[in-house]
Amino acid sequence: GAGVSQSPRYKVAKRGQDVALRCDPISGHVSLFWYQQALGQGPEFLTYFQNEAQLDKSGLPSDRFFAERPEGSVSTLKIQRTQQEDSAVYLCASSSRRALNSYEQYFGPGTRLTVT
Amino acid sequence: GENVEQHPSTLSVQEGDSAVIKCTYSDSASNYFPWYKQELGKRPQLIIDIRSNVGEKKDQRIAVTLNKTAKHFSLHITETQPEDSAVYFCAAKRLGNQFYFGTGTSLTVIP
Repeated sequence: GAGVSQSPRYKVAKRGQDVALRCDPISGHVSLFWYQQALGQGPEFLTYFQNEAQLDKSGLPSDRFFAERPEGSVSTLKIQRTQQEDSAVYLCASSSRRALNSYEQYFGPGTRLTVT
Repeated sequence: GENVEQHPSTLSVQEGDSAVIKCTYSDSASNYFPWYKQELGKRPQLIIDIRSNVGEKKDQRIAVTLNKTAKHFSLHITETQPEDSAVYFCAAKRLGNQFYFGTGTSLTVIP
């Protein structure tokens, strides 16, 4: 079946613009995660949803970052008033807890955000 | 929070040799430790994982060992092949589903 998809794949924004990044998880996956991956670094946790509930947003770097998953499937990560330090690849991952104690995450291809 | 350290940052091995990558973690409550392979410009892909109640797990040429007391876990790749060349990330999952990743190891397998 289809894997996790993200759009757009590339986004160039001028400093101060707002951006919205979309994630389509694997159908039926309960959990959805957002990560920020700077060049040459490992993914850094941003936030986590279980169905439509945002259970953890402790990794969001500032109040300019906002994520939602209103119907428990598609999720959007919004960044307001983008800054150059927001330039990174934003990864989405989903996982299903239907499998007994399964924590395996499936990653999307990422959105590369460049703020100029 | 959790702190995951990964070593080495770069590793070159001859084809057919073994490669070992090591990670340490700080939160003794972490209970799941996956390893991901990421090729340039592509998404991370899970290659093997281990839970805190298991000491070792093997899948063909790949194995992971976990020492809970010392809070470290290692990835072992035997009989390396050029297609194993990639960046490898370890991660640790805390209670509550927060995942913390290491900084990555760039593995080059020399034919």
